[in-house]
Amino acid sequence: RKEVEQDPGPFNVPEGATVAFNCTYSNSASQSFFWYRQDCRKEPKLLMSVYSSGNEDGRFTAQLNRASQYISLLIRDSKLSDSATYLCVVNIRGGNTPLVFGKGTRLSVIA
Amino acid sequence: DAGVIQSPRHEVTEMGQEVTLRCKPISGHNSLFWYRQTMMRGLELLIYFNNNVPIDDSGMPEDRFSAKMPNASFSTLKIQPSEPRDSAVYFCASSPGGSNQPQHFGDGTRLSIL
Repeated sequence: RKEVEQDPGPFNVPEGATVAFNCTYSNSASQSFFWYRQDCRKEPKLLMSVYSSGNEDGRFTAQLNRASQYISLLIRDSKLSDSATYLCVVNIRGGNTPLVFGKGTRLSVIA
Repeated sequence: DAGVIQSPRHEVTEMGQEVTLRCKPISGHNSLFWYRQTMMRGLELLIYFNNNVPIDDSGMPEDRFSAKMPNASFSTLKIQPSEPRDSAVYFCASSPGGSNQPQHFGDGTRLSIL
């Protein structure tokens, strides 16, 4: 099983749609979770951290399900500018060790 | 605020040449990471440093790759000799350290070996 696994997509959705991505992780003891966004030919950028109780930032909602070992990202009212690759990121090995990045889910929002 | 600074942004060179990539982490960040990204493999961790000390270089592909961090504000990744299969985007990232801290990436170096 891969440490961090995502559906690569692409997800093609119309503007205004709601879209959700899931990501599974292998280590039940993982403590830190993040979603990053990467635009074409750019660096990954932190979108949001994922907290145990779930958290929201505008149109974006992140949730953690420890029992099933997955995190999710929900985007409401999709904009054209949301088109990007979304990377699921987990501190798999715990402590002060590098984050492990999924390969990303590609989203295209279409007018 | 200055982010992670990488240079050069682009490098095109012939195989067999030495390539040196440079990175200046965010001031105050204790951890520095070098990644390579390709379409096939995604983002791969090559090596990381904590407090200027290399902790894990198991991701370095082979002996042609080496990395140094002589001080808290500078790191290099060197490839000698370079090969066409080294062509990729190389990212440097830094973080304050600690398990709950995200990493912040530089703009990357787009490397093409001909």
